[in-house]
Amino acid sequence: DAGITQSPRHKVTETGTPVTLRCHQTENHRYMYWYRQDPGHGLRLIHYSYGVKDTDKGEVSDGYSVSRSKTEDFLLTLESATSSQTSVYFCASGPTGDGELFFGEGSRLTVL
Amino acid sequence: SQQGEEDPQALSIQEGENATMNCSYKTSINNLQWYRQNSGRGLVHLILIRSNEREKHSGRLRVTLDTSKKSSSLLITASRAADTASYFCAPAGSGTYKYIFGTGTRLKVLA
Repeated sequence: DAGITQSPRHKVTETGTPVTLRCHQTENHRYMYWYRQDPGHGLRLIHYSYGVKDTDKGEVSDGYSVSRSKTEDFLLTLESATSSQTSVYFCASGPTGDGELFFGEGSRLTVL
Repeated sequence: SQQGEEDPQALSIQEGENATMNCSYKTSINNLQWYRQNSGRGLVHLILIRSNEREKHSGRLRVTLDTSKKSSSLLITASRAADTASYFCAPAGSGTYKYIFGTGTRLKVLA
């Protein structure tokens, strides 16, 4: 299995607080992705990265920012969490921009 | 967009039966991929079919691709209870690095 880990796996926070989710991969994959999954919506792309310091927006990027200072780490930040950002967040990585993606196990975020 | 849309939304079959799910997309692609998600887990890659291929097999999985209709199908033969999961398609490539997933097909295999 590809080495992709997400942290934290579970987090409960309050509205208005900042939250950072970390995705770490040991496969030297160039491409990394953040998705959120909510009932009835499937997976929705938040942001993705096609190299160190190269990122772009996905379908639902409002309220989220990302950073990628190293190949292995892709951080997702909620500057001021809202209840609508309660979700399960999945990170994925891949060696090419159109090949197999490897997913992490998810981070469950609850914003009260 | 590069989004795949799966159909049906839900499917319930008996163990041993075949399960067929479909995917439609709107743009040109380099390849199309199918993924499985067990409840509460991350997605797992099942199979990739390139745009110049019409059919591909992997174990009990058979995938077809019709680029003229912009559609693909995933057939799981002799289904098992362990196949119970959600299945997603992901059209990929052709000028974008985005993987846009649909809402998936929820397959339930009854023992």
